[in-house]
Amino acid sequence: QVQLVQSGAEVKKPGASVTVSCKASGYTFTSYYMHWVRQAPGQGLEWVGIINPSGGSTRYAQKFQGRLTVTRDTSTSIVYMELSSLRSEDTAVYYCARGGDVVVPITSVRDAFDIWGQGTMVTVSS
Amino acid sequence: DIQMTQSPSTLSASVGDRVTITCRASQSISNWLAWYQQKPGKAPKLLIYKASSLESGVPSRFSGSGSGTEFTLTISSLQPDDFATYYCQQYFAYYTFGQGTKLEIK
Repeated sequence: QVQLVQSGAEVKKPGASVTVSCKASGYTFTSYYMHWVRQAPGQGLEWVGIINPSGGSTRYAQKFQGRLTVTRDTSTSIVYMELSSLRSEDTAVYYCARGGDVVVPITSVRDAFDIWGQGTMVTVSS
Repeated sequence: DIQMTQSPSTLSASVGDRVTITCRASQSISNWLAWYQQKPGKAPKLLIYKASSLESGVPSRFSGSGSGTEFTLTISSLQPDDFATYYCQQYFAYYTFGQGTKLEIK
């Protein structure tokens, strides 16, 4: 079945970096965009960024520019999200979520998120 | 940035009730709107996309309507499994979620 399986919980100190992985299975990995969404404790959902797993192109939410790097490994069908210079406000559950077909350019893609990973808790604390 | 505002923030209802949740966009988003259901400790689940299209496998008691700046999610007859938090999301320009509506048992 189509599924996204994420890596386990992380605890990091302020200023450190964290990498969360998301392994896709059950569909053609390079055919669909992958998004990252986060949710701080007790709060709503916030879009973080998107990657085209086929070509590797990315777009990030403005607030994460300079701190966020999303990459992929097509040989293993894994997408990685690295967030650096962590601060306490980055404490959240991070989700990967499948988007639309990559035939649409990343600059004009409009897609809902139909499959979600189980989430990865990232805690930033001194 | 496009802002999404949901109302109400909390809704108390009983099994069998018909409920409606509203989502307003700060500018026109055509019909580029999705609705998600989230239960505690779980990932969101897609219910509706393109404002009114039902995702495969989602019960037909869920329906969506609207275009432009005002949208609604309606549950025709609440079931015990429907008590959860609901989020709207615009995907006209980047992606923005509403703040959520918690549907509670009355």
